[in-house]
Amino acid sequence: AQSVSQHNHHVILSEAASLELGCNYSYGGTVNLFWYVQYPGQHLQLLLKYFSGDPLVKGIKGFEAEFIKSKFSFNLRKPSVQWSDTAEYFCAVNAGGGYNKLIFGAGTRLAVHP
Amino acid sequence: EAGVAQSPRYKIIEKRQSVAFWCNPISGHATLYWYQQILGQGPKLLIQFQNNGVVDDSQLPKDRFSAERLKGVDSTLKIQPAKLEDSAVYLCASSFESGNTIYFGEGSWLTVV
Repeated sequence: AQSVSQHNHHVILSEAASLELGCNYSYGGTVNLFWYVQYPGQHLQLLLKYFSGDPLVKGIKGFEAEFIKSKFSFNLRKPSVQWSDTAEYFCAVNAGGGYNKLIFGAGTRLAVHP
Repeated sequence: EAGVAQSPRYKIIEKRQSVAFWCNPISGHATLYWYQQILGQGPKLLIQFQNNGVVDDSQLPKDRFSAERLKGVDSTLKIQPAKLEDSAVYLCASSFESGNTIYFGEGSWLTVV
């Protein structure tokens, strides 16, 4: 069965620190990959996505993610975090197969301190 | 562009009672999803509709959960009878078609006491 693993459940950083959140998935075929963000009290929003092409994907608010097929990974990065990045981050995988079934990881809760 | 609308936003019920959630997807989106998000976990797909047909309900507890999407637009998710472990946020989402980005509503928070 397809699954998504996020390595860190809680991350605490100071402003201006660099961020990397790990995501690994288990599926051997073609995948579409997503990072969603949920700010406190708000709904899930798309941060960035990878369907094909350049494996380094840039999203909103300075976030980027790199798809490494050989490692089944899609890690999220940001060079310098801000207090406003405090949120929960979810990695998700769509393994295709005709219907758009999105499988989520358990999420990483990020707290950024001023 | 209006987003995915859900109601009610919050509901508290006693165990063994029933509850229904409503969802209106983004206009023109053929695919509608209901996800369950338990505190501390990622969203789990309960049911997926393509227009008004079900394409995946493999993780829907069919003894107590039901969902319908009449006329291929709005959808309702019902729980009867509710259990304590049903306490969660129920997220409705939609996408234009298979393979496209999925957009989420704000969720309906359910507490079963």
